[in-house]
Amino acid sequence: AQSVSQHNHHVILSEAASLELGCNYSYGGTVNLFWYVQYPGQHLQLLLKYFSGDPLVKGIKGFEAEFIKSKFSFNLRKPSVQWSDTAEYFCAVRRDTGGFKTIFGAGTRLFVKA
Amino acid sequence: SAVISQKPSRDICQRGTSLTIQCQVDSQVTMMFWYRQQPGQSLTLIATANQGSEATYESGFVIDKFPISRPNLTFSTLTVSNMSPEDSSIYLCSVAQGADTEAFFGQGTRLTVV
Repeated sequence: AQSVSQHNHHVILSEAASLELGCNYSYGGTVNLFWYVQYPGQHLQLLLKYFSGDPLVKGIKGFEAEFIKSKFSFNLRKPSVQWSDTAEYFCAVRRDTGGFKTIFGAGTRLFVKA
Repeated sequence: SAVISQKPSRDICQRGTSLTIQCQVDSQVTMMFWYRQQPGQSLTLIATANQGSEATYESGFVIDKFPISRPNLTFSTLTVSNMSPEDSSIYLCSVAQGADTEAFFGQGTRLTVV
């Protein structure tokens, strides 16, 4: 079965620190890749997405992610986090077959200390 | 993008009863999905709501417990039947316009079963 693995369940950083959240998936075919963010008390929002083309994608709020096909990975990065980045981050994968379902990783809770 | 309205936004229900959640989208969409987000956990796909036919359920979810309707391209309902406290969760409607777009999420319905 297809699965999405996020390596870190909880991350605590100080402001201005760099962030990298790992994401690996198990499906070997063509995939679409996403990172969603859920701020406290709010609904899911899309941070960035990869469908094809340049494997380095840039999203909102200074986030970027790199798709490495050989490693089945789609890690999220931000050079300098802010207190307002405190949220839960979900990696998600959608296959090009099977009804285009989006499958989510377990999520990573990020807390940024001011 | 699509604007998704879910009703109710929250409810407290007695065990053994059923609750129907409505999802209304402001435009016609190809794909509609229902997810569950249990407290402190990630999103788990319940089923794909198919317009004009029976929903496609994921492993662990059955129609008797979670009947779904989708009478047209802008509306779907999810019923949580014979509820128990374990059904306490946030239930989310999600839509996608096509294979080359991301999934959008509603605000969710926060259900508490007592």
